Amino acid sequence: GENVEQHPSTLSVQEGDSAVIKCTYSDSASNYFPWYKQELGKGPQLIIDIRSNVGEKKDQRIAVTLNKTAKHFSLHITETQPEDSAVYFCAPQGGAQKLVFGQGTRLTINP
Amino acid sequence: EPEVTQTPSHQVTQMGQEVILRCVPISNHLYFYWYRQILGQKVEFLVSFYNNEISEKSEIFDDQFSVERPDGSNFTLKIRSTKLEDSAMYFCASSPGGVETQYFGPGTRLLVL
Repeated sequence: GENVEQHPSTLSVQEGDSAVIKCTYSDSASNYFPWYKQELGKGPQLIIDIRSNVGEKKDQRIAVTLNKTAKHFSLHITETQPEDSAVYFCAPQGGAQKLVFGQGTRLTINP
Repeated sequence: EPEVTQTPSHQVTQMGQEVILRCVPISNHLYFYWYRQILGQKVEFLVSFYNNEISEKSEIFDDQFSVERPDGSNFTLKIRSTKLEDSAMYFCASSPGGVETQYFGPGTRLLVL
C-alpha cells in the first residue's frame, strides 16, 4: 500500500522566520498532493494543494513544491506568525479517492 | 461558505453498544468519506462512498462498520458493536469529484467505555 512519511515530526521556529516540512510518498500513481492544517480539537483544513502537472504553487505566505521524480513534496511557510502554530499533515492521493495522511508535523511559532 | 457538519460533537457509549455518527456533506458534492484519528495519531481513511455505494474501504472498515446515505443530505457511519479501540475522533469529508479537494467536518469524538 501507499507509504507516506513526513519530516520533521516537530518544528519550532521564531516568529517571522520560515518553516519547511517535507513529505515523501511511495505510490507513483499519486497525482494530487494536499497539505492540511489541524488546530486543536478541529478537523483538518486544506491550506494548499498541487497537482502533478505543476512543480510549484504559491498562495501568499504559503507555497508547495513537488518533485514527482523523487516522490516528495514540501510545504513552505514564510514570515511565520503565531497563528501558524498547528499540526500540519501531507495527504497524497493516489488513483483511488482516499487520502493517505502522513504522521503530522507539530509546528510551534515562538514569539 | 458551505461546510461539512457533523453530529454529535461528542458521544460516550458502553462497549458492545451501537452508535450512529451523522454528517451533512456540502450540498453539491458527490463523494463522501469517513476518516478516524486515534488520539495523538495520524488521520486514517475508513471508507469512501459514491453513487450510493462504497467505492473503497480500508482494512479497518470491517463488518462492524456500515455507511448509509438515507436521504439527499445526510451521510451516516454506524458501528454495530463498539469496542474500546473504536475510541477516536471520526471525521466526515466530502468532495465535488473523485480526485479533488476533500473538505472535512469538525469531527465527532467517540469514547467507548
